[in-house]
Amino acid sequence: AQKVTQAQTEISVVEKEDVTLDCVYETRDTTYYLFWYKQPPSGELVFLIRRNSFDEQNEISGRYSWNFQKSTSSFNFTITASQVVDSAVYFCALSEVGNFNKFYFGSGTKLNVKP
Amino acid sequence: DTGVSQDPRHKITKRGQNVTFRCDPISEHNRLYWYRQTLGQGPEFLTYFQNEAQLEKSRLLSDRFSAERPKGSFSTLEIQRTEQGDSAMYLCASSWGLAGADTQYFGPGTRLTVL
Repeated sequence: AQKVTQAQTEISVVEKEDVTLDCVYETRDTTYYLFWYKQPPSGELVFLIRRNSFDEQNEISGRYSWNFQKSTSSFNFTITASQVVDSAVYFCALSEVGNFNKFYFGSGTKLNVKP
Repeated sequence: DTGVSQDPRHKITKRGQNVTFRCDPISEHNRLYWYRQTLGQGPEFLTYFQNEAQLEKSRLLSDRFSAERPKGSFSTLEIQRTEQGDSAMYLCASSWGLAGADTQYFGPGTRLTVL
């Protein structure tokens, strides 16, 4: 079974629009971590955020914000006032403590921001 | 400040040949991971080292694959008798941690093409 689901394969927006990338996860562990990474065309995965299962506070970092809801097993990522430089593939990942910290990645959402 | 480096960045080989990839983690990171990423998919876990000990291997890692991390520093991933299905991006990540999940930092990857 897929542990992390990113149902949106590709999203296209026009610059300055807000966009939300969805992430739904599945785990039986009570302690786990969730991550978002950005993969620009160059290919290198860039770390964006880490969240542990005990901290459901939403987080904002500049134009980026994250909404973690354990009740729906979701960890969604919103970009406000998108820019062309935000164009990339975004991955959500789950890490279960005690499971050697390996990441389970979703299949990614490709974001196209058009000028 | 140097991040995770991987060498080579690209490798083209003929089916049946052996290939070896190298990963240099961020210095003093005790954990090292290998992932494989195929087109349009998220990275999939292959194996994990804590210092020099290989603590977990995915079932994706067939007996043609072997990984080492001598002295707990750099790591190598060897694929013997390559097959066309081995064509993928091979990603290395490192982190520092003693317990719990920690943030993994990824290298630029080695893109393997098997002809």
